Amino acid sequence: DVKVTQSSRYLVKRTGEKVFLECVQDMDHENMFWYRQDPGLGLRLIYFSYDVKMKEKGDIPEGYSVSREKKERFSLILESASTNQTSMYLCASSRYRGQGGQPQHFGDGTRLSIL
Amino acid sequence: QQQVKQSPQSLIVQKGGISIINCAYENTAFDYFPWYQQFPGKGPALLIAIRPDVSEKKEGRFTISFNKSAKQFSLHIMDSQPGDSATYFCAALYSGGGADGLTFGKGTHLIIQP
Repeated sequence: DVKVTQSSRYLVKRTGEKVFLECVQDMDHENMFWYRQDPGLGLRLIYFSYDVKMKEKGDIPEGYSVSREKKERFSLILESASTNQTSMYLCASSRYRGQGGQPQHFGDGTRLSIL
Repeated sequence: QQQVKQSPQSLIVQKGGISIINCAYENTAFDYFPWYQQFPGKGPALLIAIRPDVSEKKEGRFTISFNKSAKQFSLHIMDSQPGDSATYFCAALYSGGGADGLTFGKGTHLIIQP
């Protein structure tokens, strides 16, 4: 089974702090994704990456950046955390890009609170 | 712009009944339509998916019906069980567009009453 591991289940940070959320997948997947999940809004794509050192903006990239130095690891960075970034953050991976779509496998999320 | 609209927001079904969740999409380029199931404290897990070249796909008690002309697809859960109580998300993807992120509906909170 594919395993996507997010380093923290719960995180509390202060406004203005730089925050790092880490994600590791163990199936040699090419694609990795960061979503945020908010009640009543579903999941929204922040950033994704289809290769090492490559990144693409999703639907809501403002206030975030990402880093992918190794194929298995994808980090989400909040440059200067704000209270409206309090949310559940979900990392996902899929095997490769290409026609027909590929299943995305999700981690169990990091619940981030910004005080 | 909400590209995938999901209804209802919440649904209560008696054990043994049929649960039906509907989604409508706007982008005719979408070519992959998965459904995800999420339990509290867990990430979403892929339940079943369909591509637009078929009108129906069945896996056990779960069926996706797809209507390309109406730009709608739905999830049917037959013989619903209390263990099916979860939040369900429909999603859509245009796999040839270079952006592989899924566009999700807002979710349906399903409760199966014993």
